[in-house]
Amino acid sequence: DAMVIQNPRYQVTQFGKPVTLSCSQTLNHNVMYWYQQKSSQAPKLLFHYYDKDFNNEADTPDNFQSRRPNTSFCFLDIRSPGLGDAAMYLCATSSRLVNEQFFGPGTRLTVL
Amino acid sequence: AQSVTQPDIHITVSEGASLELRCNYSYGATPYLFWYVQSPGQGLQLLLKYFSGDTLVQGIKGFEAEFKRSQSSFNLRKPSVHWSDAAEYFCAVGGTSGTYKYIFGTGTRLKVLA
Repeated sequence: DAMVIQNPRYQVTQFGKPVTLSCSQTLNHNVMYWYQQKSSQAPKLLFHYYDKDFNNEADTPDNFQSRRPNTSFCFLDIRSPGLGDAAMYLCATSSRLVNEQFFGPGTRLTVL
Repeated sequence: AQSVTQPDIHITVSEGASLELRCNYSYGATPYLFWYVQSPGQGLQLLLKYFSGDTLVQGIKGFEAEFKRSQSSFNLRKPSVHWSDAAEYFCAVGGTSGTYKYIFGTGTRLKVLA
């Protein structure tokens, strides 16, 4: 089945220690998104890629970076995680033709 | 300004009872409309969507939603709730062309009483 895969599902890191979250897709979609979701809140868009074009949200902290080496993979790098970065991180994809987003299962990040 | 409002933060229903979750939106053009469900610790699963055509749309798990343009609403309904429906429900609005972002509502947490 075509899908969006996120690894790892759970990630524990230490305060200030860089961490990378991974997303891959078999849907061959042009657009990939990274969301941050805190408890009992709606997902908050951090950035998205349209093909290789990177689009950062204005309020996304500089601490968050992303890479998309090819169509299938996208990475979220948190350079110096703080306690406030503990959250669920969701990856999603959509095609350029239809704005319907398909979500991965998420990565739960804990910062100690 | 574009926005999505889910007026009910929490809803509690008894198993077997009917359910309606409200969603109102403010959007400059005709939007795409979505309902997603999220179980604890999981990603978002699409329940149903409205792009055009018949304003009553059927989704998975026995859910349906009705698009009412005059009321700018897209309410989610289910005639008989099951205990497994307990989850968070998000309404979202997306652009129909050229824009790829969603606007999410704040979510409604559904609790089901046995």
